[in-house]
Amino acid sequence: EVQLLESGGGLVQPGGSLRLSCAASGFTLGSYWMHWVRQAPGKGLEWVANINQDGSQKYFLDSVKGRFTISRDNAKNSVYLQMNSLTAEDTAVYYCGRAVGGAESYWGQGTLVTVSS
Amino acid sequence: QSVLTQPPSASGTPGQRVTISCSGSNSNIGSNPVNWFQQLPGTAPKLLIYNYNQRPSGVPDRFSGSKSGTSASLAISGLRSEDEAGYYCAAWDDSLNAYVFGTGTEVTVL
Repeated sequence: EVQLLESGGGLVQPGGSLRLSCAASGFTLGSYWMHWVRQAPGKGLEWVANINQDGSQKYFLDSVKGRFTISRDNAKNSVYLQMNSLTAEDTAVYYCGRAVGGAESYWGQGTLVTVSS
Repeated sequence: QSVLTQPPSASGTPGQRVTISCSGSNSNIGSNPVNWFQQLPGTAPKLLIYNYNQRPSGVPDRFSGSKSGTSASLAISGLRSEDEAGYYCAAWDDSLNAYVFGTGTEVTVL
């Protein structure tokens, strides 16, 4: 069974950092592009970043460029999102997604990040 | 600000057909496959349609997708109460080098 389990969310002060993790199981992580997508409270979906199968290609939402980095460790079946210089506008549920733009799209249940003093 | 525009809401009675539009541009819908996602209240999004009009296994054939130029549409026929959810279109944008979601449409079954 395919599973994606996000962790690492929580309450952080403005300007702080968090590292989100996504643990994958039930499929070969190294065969897929992986994505992070977020949803602010009461708002729509917003794509944040993605990374290709071997980590050599990465793309980011303009508003997080220079603050967020995405990485993966296929041997550990994990994908990561390092978030720095967080602001209130980054408050959202963050979803890890497999092949979001394709036929084998699959999403985790999300982890909540709250940026507040 | 999303580059894919959807109506904020749509509604119908059980059994009716509801159509949701998604308006984009040449750099996204005009040149890349469109996916549609369903998000039931309090849950993660789920793939409903991929590559404009393909259904993953397990998705009822009541759901169908289409594309015309720089716009895409999702149709729900034989509307059921369990179809009450948020629906989002999405596509890669070649100009932004980013994946973009539509503004989202809330479907209500009256």
